[in-house]
Amino acid sequence: KNQVEQSPQSLIILEGKNCTLQCNYTVSPFSNLRWYKQDTGRGPVSLTIMTFSENTKSNGRYTATLDADTKQSSLHITASQLSDSASYICVVSRMDSSYKLIFGSGTRLLVRP
Amino acid sequence: GAVVSQHPSWVICKSGTSVKIECRSLDFQATTMFWYRQFPKQSLMLMATSNEGSKATYEQGVEKDKFLINHASLTLSTLTVTSAHPEDSSFYICSARISGGRIGQNIQYFGAGTRLSVL
Repeated sequence: KNQVEQSPQSLIILEGKNCTLQCNYTVSPFSNLRWYKQDTGRGPVSLTIMTFSENTKSNGRYTATLDADTKQSSLHITASQLSDSASYICVVSRMDSSYKLIFGSGTRLLVRP
Repeated sequence: GAVVSQHPSWVICKSGTSVKIECRSLDFQATTMFWYRQFPKQSLMLMATSNEGSKATYEQGVEKDKFLINHASLTLSTLTVTSAHPEDSSFYICSARISGGRIGQNIQYFGAGTRLSVL
């Protein structure tokens, strides 16, 4: 069954601290994995997208890693800011013509001053 | 970067009325668009796949007569919630896939969402 699981469900950190979010997937055939940031009441915004041949990709203070062998990905946020408070969604695209995306349930991050 | 415009961002309507939500790709062509529904503290749930010039493909459990989808051009898809009821109140999000590319590449951009409140 094609699934994407994220942990933790929620996380509270202090401003300036780092954090790492996890994503495990069982999607096959795998095409690429994306991390999105979704602010409350807004649509998801892409942070990174990685194919199976890419191990790491950065976007400012966001760094995503991908291990295609273990089917795991992580999103590391460095020097967190209050504006990082949002839901972070791991999404996997299959290598097929349906173009459907398979969504994780998200990690709700709260950054406190 | 590519922009997907979704309108309106927020709509309040009376029970029994119909509401139309528009999803436009502003600077690219989108043969395929997707409509999602999102409940509070939950992830996006795919409702239907909208294909330009053909009928939409609905996910299991989604009433096609309730949620009418039209994709008349390569840059516009609309979702009409017919005879809306309070249980239809939700956050609706569209995404647009850039036409072309390799199978699986699947570059999609999301709209900002529409908050529907049915009284």
